[in-house]
Amino acid sequence: QQQVKQSPQSLIVQKGGISIINCAYENTAFDYFPWYQQFPGKGPALLIAIRPDVSEKKEGRFTISFNKSAKQFSLHIMDSQPGDSATYFCAASKGSSNTGKLIFGQGTTLQVKP
Amino acid sequence: GAVVSQHPSWVICKSGTSVKIECRSLDFQATTMFWYRQFPKQSLMLMATSNEGSKATYEQGVEKDKFLINHASLTLSTLTVTSAHPEDSSFYICSARKLDRYTFGSGTRLTVV
Repeated sequence: QQQVKQSPQSLIVQKGGISIINCAYENTAFDYFPWYQQFPGKGPALLIAIRPDVSEKKEGRFTISFNKSAKQFSLHIMDSQPGDSATYFCAASKGSSNTGKLIFGQGTTLQVKP
Repeated sequence: GAVVSQHPSWVICKSGTSVKIECRSLDFQATTMFWYRQFPKQSLMLMATSNEGSKATYEQGVEKDKFLINHASLTLSTLTVTSAHPEDSSFYICSARKLDRYTFGSGTRLTVV
């Protein structure tokens, strides 16, 4: 019930294309769903996050789509750029809980070709 | 805002020695801090959760006597890897939480030789 499953494991996209990464969770108590970007040798950086009361959130080229009934959420990167090449992690937590630990997906390595 | 400083960024130590890693929230007070371990090309594995002034809660399978966590204030947590061995070599990352925002440090690459 604590798992967050992420796919695909790796993704290659042409510059200007759309990158789509999917995640699924089981624990319906999760109420906070962030996406992180990580470059080699660095810590993860928050990209965008969503709560289950909305179905979509957009920030610049990044959009989260959230399907509460299916317990799935996805990250869309529009107009993908070579600088977006990194590893992306979805995560989930019970944000309202005092412990509120983040459970991470397995990660997706994105390569954007020029 | 929401900056977490982690030091050192890399460290090489001899087998059997101890290494301390610091994690500081620079511009906010963190209600909770977390320590993760990451192996190459893998996800972040939560090691422990710590709250200021109380004992850390370790995840199953993590040796609390090997990975000592001290959370002395709302802005500082430390992880000490005691009697380090080559299998402890990894990338260690801390995270500080305020409300529902989790901010990560830049990580520490530990190599035990």
